Amino acid sequence: GQQVMQIPQYQHVQEGEDFTTYCNSSTTLSNIQWYKQRPGGHPVFLIQLVKSGEVKKQKRLTFQFGEAKKNSSLHITATQTTDVGTYFCASNSNSGYALNFGKGTSLLVTP
Amino acid sequence: DGGITQSPKYLFRKEGQNVTLSCEQNLNHDAMYWYRQDPGQGLRLIYYSQIVNDFQKGDIAEGYSVSREKKESFPLTVTSAQKNPTAFYLCASSPWGGQGATETQYFGPGTRLLVL
Repeated sequence: GQQVMQIPQYQHVQEGEDFTTYCNSSTTLSNIQWYKQRPGGHPVFLIQLVKSGEVKKQKRLTFQFGEAKKNSSLHITATQTTDVGTYFCASNSNSGYALNFGKGTSLLVTP
Repeated sequence: DGGITQSPKYLFRKEGQNVTLSCEQNLNHDAMYWYRQDPGQGLRLIYYSQIVNDFQKGDIAEGYSVSREKKESFPLTVTSAQKNPTAFYLCASSPWGGQGATETQYFGPGTRLLVL
């Protein structure tokens, strides 16, 4: 399937600092989805990006899809302890029938 | 309440035993999926099903089997052939948008399997 690589694997920030996770692919992606998994929980859908250069915002979260549709980012402004968790990007497999998930970025926010 | 449920939450298995994990959804979704999650590995696809009585292997299907006799149910059997079964197993469902489409996946709470 189309592999998506995520960096960094871990990120530790102080509350109030910003955070960014990146998702990269060597091939053009048809779309990208972002999920959040709280510790001990299950992944929850955040957003889907489809168009080249697309930018979407959800309160303090900003999602971008690159112009070439080979990369995406999730930026959190002024992190809060409620942002703790692992953030995954995901995209279509080559068959189009399932998603390929990145390995995720685990965010730890300390007060 | 609409949603996707998995049972049990925790499951212990002795080596050499088969074990079946339950996944039920009442979202009227056509597609269902099973993932395995290991620390630092993200989610890896085991099997998926687009429609009743049909399913496809994912990236790590060896040692697992599934059935899809009803739209609402997609049980996963971890067989004794799976050499490293200890993991967190997640079931998901989604509407079916056809090939090339990507629909949001809704995840169940997961089952943690521990082999003793």
